[in-house]
Amino acid sequence: QVQLVQSGAEVKKPGASVKISCKASGYIFTNYHVHWVRQAPGQGLEWMGMINPSGGRPRYAQKMQGRVTMTRDTSTSIVHMELSSLRSEDSAVYYCARDVCSGASCFLFDSWGQGTLVTVSS
Amino acid sequence: SYVLTQPPSVSVAPGQTARITCGANNIGSYSVHWYQQKPGQAPVLVISYDGDRPSGIPERFSGFNSGNTATLTISWVEAGDEADYYCQVWDSSSVVFGGGTKLTVL
Repeated sequence: QVQLVQSGAEVKKPGASVKISCKASGYIFTNYHVHWVRQAPGQGLEWMGMINPSGGRPRYAQKMQGRVTMTRDTSTSIVHMELSSLRSEDSAVYYCARDVCSGASCFLFDSWGQGTLVTVSS
Repeated sequence: SYVLTQPPSVSVAPGQTARITCGANNIGSYSVHWYQQKPGQAPVLVISYDGDRPSGIPERFSGFNSGNTATLTISWVEAGDEADYYCQVWDSSSVVFGGGTKLTVL
């Protein structure tokens, strides 16, 4: 079955960077785009961007441009999301999510990771 | 940017019908997707492309989209349906989520 397993919780100081991993299994990794969505405590969902594991430039939400980097390692079926210049407002649960469509992005998500809590605090 | 507006909360008694709206200018021209999120869990896709049900989602869940409002309808509501529900679209440059609606089963 399709599974996305994320790395564990992180505590970071303001100004630092965090890198979260998302390991995919149960499907052909390069066939499905992976998105990142975050959720601040008690708040709604916010799309951060997406990456095509088969190659090509990632696509980032305008708000995240310049601070977020998404990469993939096809040898391990892992997608990484790195967020830099962290501030308190970046404290959130970060989810990776698989796109429903094979070969292209349909921009909706049928499988999600379990979430990674990132706490930014001095 | 495109804004999706949901009511913060909806309450319904068990066995009744819950309707959760998602409003936006001409939303009927977009494909709307709905997610259910229970506390401490990742979201789950319950309706795609306005009214399609993914495999495993009960027939009690349905969706409709026209004009300026998309609606998620949950028939014969059960206690287990209590959750936050989010609508979502792709507006050609970004994925946009509604603010979410907390469904309370009385």
